[in-house]
Amino acid sequence: DAGVTQSPTHLIKTRGQQVTLRCSPKSGHDTVSWYQQALGQGPQFIFQYYEEEERQRGNFPDRFSGHQFPNYSSELNVNALLLGDSALYLCASSLGPYAGGTDTQYFGPGTRLTVL
Amino acid sequence: KNQVEQSPQSLIILEGKNCTLQCNYTVSPFSNLRWYKQDTGRGPVSLTIMTFSENTKSNGRYTATLDADTKQSSLHITASQLSDSASYICVVSAGYSTLTFGKGTMLLVSP
Repeated sequence: DAGVTQSPTHLIKTRGQQVTLRCSPKSGHDTVSWYQQALGQGPQFIFQYYEEEERQRGNFPDRFSGHQFPNYSSELNVNALLLGDSALYLCASSLGPYAGGTDTQYFGPGTRLTVL
Repeated sequence: KNQVEQSPQSLIILEGKNCTLQCNYTVSPFSNLRWYKQDTGRGPVSLTIMTFSENTKSNGRYTATLDADTKQSSLHITASQLSDSASYICVVSAGYSTLTFGKGTMLLVSP
C-alpha cells in the first residue's frame, strides 16, 4: 500500500517563474491538504481539496492555486515566485475533509523548492 | 487567534536518557491534539492523537499527556535512541476546521 507520494523531491527556480508540485494521496484517501514549511518553522496550511474543490484556505495569496483530479491526486501551482517562497512543501492526505476528526493525516516526504 | 506554543525550542540529551517536551495551546473549540515526529527534510509522521476525553496515550517509548483544563500537553520519550533525533511537532485541531501547528522542538540525542 503506497503512502502519500510527492514529485519532484527537489526543485530550483528563479524569481518570477511558475512552479507545479504534484501529490498522490494514500490509497483510500480522498482529501488532500497542502502545507508550506519554512526552515525551522512548523507547517503552514495553504489549502485543502475535497471532491475536486478547494474547501478551505489558509492565509496565502492568490499566487498559490491548486487542483484536484478525479483520482484524488492534486497539484499545487505557485506563480510569480518570490525568494520567500523557498520552503518544503508538504502534501497530506486524509479520508474526508474534516481535520477535526481523529483520522490521522498522512504526510508525504515533501518537495524542497528553492527560489534563486 | 488559535496558537500552539512549544518548549523548549531545542534540546540535547544523552542516549538512553528520558526527556519531556511541552505544548501549550489556545485553540477553540478543541477537538484533538496530535504529536508528530519529523525527520530533517521529511514529512511529519504521527505519533499520537488524543481527544478531549483522553489524558494519556502511549506509542512504544513515546507517551503523550493532555490536560484540557490547562490546555497543556507533554510528550515524554523514554530511554532515548539516536534515531529519536528529529523535530517533534504539536498539532491542535479546532472543531472541524484546519489544524494549527506548533513550530516544533528540535531534539538531538547524542551518543
